[in-house]
Amino acid sequence: AQSVAQPEDQVNVAEGNPLTVKCTYSVSGNPYLFWYVQYPNRGLQFLLKYITGDNLVKGSYGFEAEFNKSQTSFHLKKPSALVSDSALYFCAVRESPGTYKYIFGTGTRLKVLA
Amino acid sequence: SQTIHQWPATLVQPVGSPLSLECTVEGTSNPNLYWYRQAAGRGLQLLFYSVGIGQISSEVPQNLSASRPQDRQFILSSKKLLLSDSGFYLCAWTPWGQTYGYTFGSGTRLTVV
Repeated sequence: AQSVAQPEDQVNVAEGNPLTVKCTYSVSGNPYLFWYVQYPNRGLQFLLKYITGDNLVKGSYGFEAEFNKSQTSFHLKKPSALVSDSALYFCAVRESPGTYKYIFGTGTRLKVLA
Repeated sequence: SQTIHQWPATLVQPVGSPLSLECTVEGTSNPNLYWYRQAAGRGLQLLFYSVGIGQISSEVPQNLSASRPQDRQFILSSKKLLLSDSGFYLCAWTPWGQTYGYTFGSGTRLTVV
């Protein structure tokens, strides 16, 4: 069955340090992968997507993600974390080719410590 | 530019009362429209999606319903709310014919008491 896993409920990182938020997926066909960020009581904001092309995708606010087909992963990264990056991060994948349905992970809360 | 509006922002309703949440999109035509629910501490669950006026697909059987009376209007309703309906409801859209790249509304925090 198609699925998305975000194995960490929370990630803590010191300001200025690199951060990684993990995501693995299981879908049939070529995956469409996304990362979204959610601030308290707000809707989700798009960060970046992988559809095809380079495995390293650059997105908003200095975030990037690496698509790894062999490990079925799409980890979100940033070289230097900011306190303002503290938020809830969601990974999402299209359920199957041509569908309108996407599967979202349960979210990872990122806390950047000053 | 396209914008999505969702209201109200917060809502407290008693058990058994009706519900109506509204979502509108501006600046585009024939959008695909979606309702998601985010329960406390959980991920997003797709409730309904629509690819056109009057066309609603339900993903999760429950006491909620959706309607699309106009091209850019999507309404989430219930005749009788349950405690389990509490959560954060998000409307989203994608361009016609495009199955990726959600733009989300700001959400409605529903508390059923």
